[in-house]
Amino acid sequence: EAQVTQNPRYLITVTGKKLTVTCSQNMNHEYMSWYRQDPGLGLRQIYYSMNVEVTDKGDVPEGYKVSRKEKRNFPLILESPSPNQTSLYFCASSSPLAKNIQYFGAGTRLSVL
Amino acid sequence: AQSVAQPEDQVNVAEGNPLTVKCTYSVSGNPYLFWYVQYPNRGLQFLLKYITGDNLVKGSYGFEAEFNKSQTSFHLKKPSALVSDSALYFCAVRDRVDSSYKLIFGSGTRLLVRP
Repeated sequence: EAQVTQNPRYLITVTGKKLTVTCSQNMNHEYMSWYRQDPGLGLRQIYYSMNVEVTDKGDVPEGYKVSRKEKRNFPLILESPSPNQTSLYFCASSSPLAKNIQYFGAGTRLSVL
Repeated sequence: AQSVAQPEDQVNVAEGNPLTVKCTYSVSGNPYLFWYVQYPNRGLQFLLKYITGDNLVKGSYGFEAEFNKSQTSFHLKKPSALVSDSALYFCAVRDRVDSSYKLIFGSGTRLLVRP
């Protein structure tokens, strides 16, 4: 089954404790992206990657890092999480063959205390 | 700058009645337009898209949307609502000249269909 898999689904952590949210897709998509969803703001793009070793900032990149060492994986790294990064995070992937449709993971709900 | 507006935080309809969820957009060029739906504790699911061609596009679960270039709108519609349609709906736009695949999302509209 074609899917985007995020782990963990839920995470509670404390300020300053480094964490990584993993994202993996099995559709051989070139493009991957991270969004955060906050009430009343919709989804905002954090980082995106057009292919392996090619990443770029989205609209809200501060406090986040990403890497794209393999085509299928696109982890989101919070080096020193802060309470304002408490949010719902989504990973998405797409490709030209996907006809402009982005496929989303189930989401990771992060709480930073 | 690109933007998407969903003017209604919530839309309430009775089961069996038609529904409309509104969306207007602003892009510098020609848009790709999308509707996604989010059910509780789930990711976003693609509903339908407008790329080119016929202004009325049909999507999943009986939903359709009409692209209106002069009004820069892309309202989501369904002739007869179901209780199971209750969910959070997002409109999104992508500028055709933007090769980054970036989607700009609206703030979302919660649809509540009462029995």
